Amino acid sequence: KAGVTQTPRYLIKTRGQQVTLSCSPISGHRSVSWYQQTPGQGLQFLFEYFSETQRNKGNFPGRFSGRQFSNSRSEMNVSTLELGDSALYLCASSLGGNDNEQFFGPGTRLTVL
Amino acid sequence: DAKTTQPPSMDCAEGRAANLPCNHSTISGNEYVYWYRQIHSQGPQYIIHGLKNNETNEMASLIITEDRKSSTLILPHATLRDTAVYYCIVRVDGYGQNFVFGPGTRLSVLP
Repeated sequence: KAGVTQTPRYLIKTRGQQVTLSCSPISGHRSVSWYQQTPGQGLQFLFEYFSETQRNKGNFPGRFSGRQFSNSRSEMNVSTLELGDSALYLCASSLGGNDNEQFFGPGTRLTVL
Repeated sequence: DAKTTQPPSMDCAEGRAANLPCNHSTISGNEYVYWYRQIHSQGPQYIIHGLKNNETNEMASLIITEDRKSSTLILPHATLRDTAVYYCIVRVDGYGQNFVFGPGTRLSVLP
């Protein structure tokens, strides 16, 4: 079974631009979560989507948004990019139940100049 | 904030068992303990999880104390490829996939 895929793998943007990242979960998984990883803050939860609805949200500003499509694929968008948004953005998928493990993708490395 | 505390780093000799401790003294009755690891520049990898019973799979064993306030992840025969950051996570809510990762333990397996 194919794993979680994320596109693109690397991205360079400038301040003020906006960016959209994509995540394709494992087939059959209905939950997709997004995380941001930086050297200073570590791994931080952004939001989770389950059956096209945002089920949980972390403590990030409204510039960070996401959505999920009917095939469970998910996108996250960051508007008005800041230098501090440079990070590895990780997507994880799971079946969505209470004790299901998450399977992480390889991440998208975003650099904001 | 993470609900767990782990030592920042540990060393283990190749071929020996690696025992990684985790304290989660405020864990609630319906919260699971999860372990993930992250090898440099890769996404975290699921290892094991449990509620109150000890668990074992092909990768590791998870020992949870009777009061559930701490747990230990055991890698029975560590190899160089087990060098990674290991995260112990307690589910914040009873439902959903919003894991809170702490800084983890950086395990170095030495030849």
